[in-house]
Amino acid sequence: EVQLVQSGAEVKKPGESLRISCKGSGYSFTSYWISWVRQMPGKGLEWMGTIDPSDSYTNYSPSFQGHVTISADKSTRTAYLQWSSLKASDTAMYYCARHLGQKDGMDVWGQGTTATVSS
Amino acid sequence: QSALTQPASVSGSPGQSITISCTGTSSDVGGYNYVSWYQQHPGKAPKLMIYEVSNRPSRVSNRFSGSKSGNTASLTISGLQAEDEADYYCSSYTSTSPYVFGTGTKVTVL
Repeated sequence: EVQLVQSGAEVKKPGESLRISCKGSGYSFTSYWISWVRQMPGKGLEWMGTIDPSDSYTNYSPSFQGHVTISADKSTRTAYLQWSSLKASDTAMYYCARHLGQKDGMDVWGQGTTATVSS
Repeated sequence: QSALTQPASVSGSPGQSITISCTGTSSDVGGYNYVSWYQQHPGKAPKLMIYEVSNRPSRVSNRFSGSKSGNTASLTISGLQAEDEADYYCSSYTSTSPYVFGTGTKVTVL
């Protein structure tokens, strides 16, 4: 079965760092780009950035460039989304998703990771 | 890159057909045949319903269909069922971002 399994819910304080993960299985991990998508409470989907796991090439939305870092480890078939200094406004659900093709839609989604940032 | 524009809500009775629009520009929807549609039930991850404007994954009901004219894409749900009540989002490849989602549409089955 093709699936993406994300790490569990996180509760952090403003200014702390955080890394969440997304592990792929059931397919060739390096053959499909992976994106991260934010959904703030009660709001819509926002594309954050994408990575090509074969060479770790990344492309970020201007809205998130410089605030998050996307990476991938081919050996463990895992993609990561990380923050060096969280803000309360980072409180959201984060999904990873696999692209059908570089320009194409996202056909496999992780279950989501909730991040809560509060003092 | 601004979000693609969708109506906030669309409703219909069981058995009817409804259409959700997704309006962008020539830099996204109008410029590429890489429009996708996603269904999201409350508390669940999004699910791909349509890709490349009108292609349907094998596991998706043929009651769902997609099309595009100029800078506007559309998702049509025919034979509306209670289980179709959900939020729907369009997405497009763009010349800048390179991906953008729509604002989302809540579908209500009356």
